[in-house]
Amino acid sequence: QKEVEQNSGPLSVPEGAIASLNCTYSDRVSQSFFWYRQYSGKSPELIMSIYSNGDKEDGRFTAQLNKASQYVSLLIRDSQPSDSATYLCAVNHNNNDMRFGAGTRLTVKP
Amino acid sequence: NAGVMQNPRHLVRRRGQEARLRCSPMKGHSHVYWYRQLPEEGLKFMVYLQKENIIDESGMPKERFSAEFPKEGPSILRIQQVVRGDSAAYFCASSLGTSGSSETQYFGPGTRLLVL
Repeated sequence: QKEVEQNSGPLSVPEGAIASLNCTYSDRVSQSFFWYRQYSGKSPELIMSIYSNGDKEDGRFTAQLNKASQYVSLLIRDSQPSDSATYLCAVNHNNNDMRFGAGTRLTVKP
Repeated sequence: NAGVMQNPRHLVRRRGQEARLRCSPMKGHSHVYWYRQLPEEGLKFMVYLQKENIIDESGMPKERFSAEFPKEGPSILRIQQVVRGDSAAYFCASSLGTSGSSETQYFGPGTRLLVL
């Protein structure tokens, strides 16, 4: 079992719709969770971090965490074509180092 | 306000040569991480370093790969006797090193290594 699993996609949504990205992880003691966005040929950039169960909202982005189910998700409201990218879920593995999922490729169609 | 810097941005090597990738963390950051990304794949953790110490190298291949983060100067990822399978993007990230498990890592632009 991979440490961090994501659906590879591609996930395609129309402009203005909600995009839902999911991630599961295997290490029950993980405490910190991160979503990164990576445009093709570019480096990952941090979108959100979440540490507690529940929802965390930042603009059009909402991260959701359920530690009991070992599940973390990212919702993007009012999706824009500029949101088209690969979204990487990252989980704190052992204190400071992280493990990344393979990423979900999102395409927002105008 | 410089972010994480990596150089070179692109590196071409022939099989058997050595590749040296450099990473300067963000100002004030004392923790450095190296990741490898193959085309269309996710980031694979390689090594985590603090100044003069390797904290976790569980993702590093046992042979040909080494990393250091000296007291002065950038972190170096060194690949000896490169093979075609080493062709990938190598990303460096840095963090403050003060927040424990909630540390946020910030990524550099990456070095694209191509082995001919």
